[in-house]
Amino acid sequence: AQRVTQPEKLLSVFKGAPVELKCNYSYSGSPELFWYVQYSRQRLQLLLRHISRESIKGFTADLNKGETSFHLKKPFAQEEDSAMYYCALRSNNAGNMLTFGGGTRLMVKP
Amino acid sequence: EPEVTQTPSHQVTQMGQEVILRCVPISNHLYFYWYRQILGQKVEFLVSFYNNEISEKSEIFDDQFSVERPDGSNFTLKIRSTKLEDSAMYFCASSTVYGYTFGSGTRLTVV
Repeated sequence: AQRVTQPEKLLSVFKGAPVELKCNYSYSGSPELFWYVQYSRQRLQLLLRHISRESIKGFTADLNKGETSFHLKKPFAQEEDSAMYYCALRSNNAGNMLTFGGGTRLMVKP
Repeated sequence: EPEVTQTPSHQVTQMGQEVILRCVPISNHLYFYWYRQILGQKVEFLVSFYNNEISEKSEIFDDQFSVERPDGSNFTLKIRSTKLEDSAMYFCASSTVYGYTFGSGTRLTVV
């Protein structure tokens, strides 16, 4: 069975500090991993997908198959980064479903 | 940018009543989904729908739940006899191979 784990429910940093949101996964196949962000009272928005290897809003994430991790990083946090962040894994079976981690609330203090 | 639209944004219903949650997916997407998020818990997969039939469902999606695409545009989730534990945020999503787009959710409160 596939599983996504985000060990930190809350991460609080000061503006300008580096941020790392941890995500570990277990999946028997070749994983496709995503980060979604949910700002207060808004919808889930795609932030990153590992296949595209792009940087959005200064965030990056590298898939480490050896450590089964997909940690989200940003070198200098901004107050507007405060939100819930969800790591998700997409299965490649017929259902194409996403399995989400429990989410990490990032609070960036001024 | 195209959006997934969900209505209503908030629904309050009495235990035992039927509810229908509505979604309009992005028109050229082929996969449709329902997820739910109980307050303080993770987002959970309910069901995926492709080519006018259910392609996968979770253990949560029991006989009380059903989905329909009645008119080629709307995608609905019906709960036949709501229970208190059905209270949650319900998210609709649609996808291409590039990723999902989520709706803003319907908050269902069962009293």
